[in-house]
Amino acid sequence: SAVISQKPSRDICQRGTSLTIQCQVDSQVTMMFWYRQQPGQSLTLIATANQGSEATYESGFVIDKFPISRPNLTFSTLTVSNMSPEDSSIYLCSVVPPAGPQHFGDGTRLSIL
Amino acid sequence: AQTVTQSQPEMSVQEAETVTLSCTYDTSESNYYLFWYKQPPSRQMILVIRQEAYKQQNATENRFSVNFQKAAKSFSLKISDSQLGDTAMYFCAFMKHNGGATNKLIFGTGTLLAVQP
Repeated sequence: SAVISQKPSRDICQRGTSLTIQCQVDSQVTMMFWYRQQPGQSLTLIATANQGSEATYESGFVIDKFPISRPNLTFSTLTVSNMSPEDSSIYLCSVVPPAGPQHFGDGTRLSIL
Repeated sequence: AQTVTQSQPEMSVQEAETVTLSCTYDTSESNYYLFWYKQPPSRQMILVIRQEAYKQQNATENRFSVNFQKAAKSFSLKISDSQLGDTAMYFCAFMKHNGGATNKLIFGTGTLLAVQP
């Protein structure tokens, strides 16, 4: 199974600022996914990130708010821009290794003051 | 659009007992995957078990087994000999089969399971 390293593990930010979350995988994967888990809620897909192409965003999520980079097959970043208290959530990246179902990183717990 | 429903927000079970978590889903797809993920307080999402829709045999992983009823669109998880470490939020998830390509997971709202000593 893939080993996923997600950074930072948690952060407390001021409203109006931006934070970039990194997701590093120990093997090459075609697709990476970014999910949001609001307090006490289930996971909701933000976008799918393919290497070398624009990310595909789900309904309700836009690139200006959640820009994503995917520079190579082992790395991706998600930026949460112009943060407000409503953005306080856990953000998780996931990958599908060559043999196996989706695996998740440990998540980034983000709190906005 | 696919939906996943978990009707039990919270459940409790005594250590060493058996518990069943319910999940139903709605889809017009004929080929898909179903999963149970576990999220302990550490918040890491851990795959518990998965089922391919084309397989009639129910999946089993040690103390975890599923009851997959395709016609009824039901996918329950049975945990036998419950252990304190099983305490977690459990999410049922659906993924459309896409000819070998990867597709997104659609999650239910989760069931918080507490194993009591």
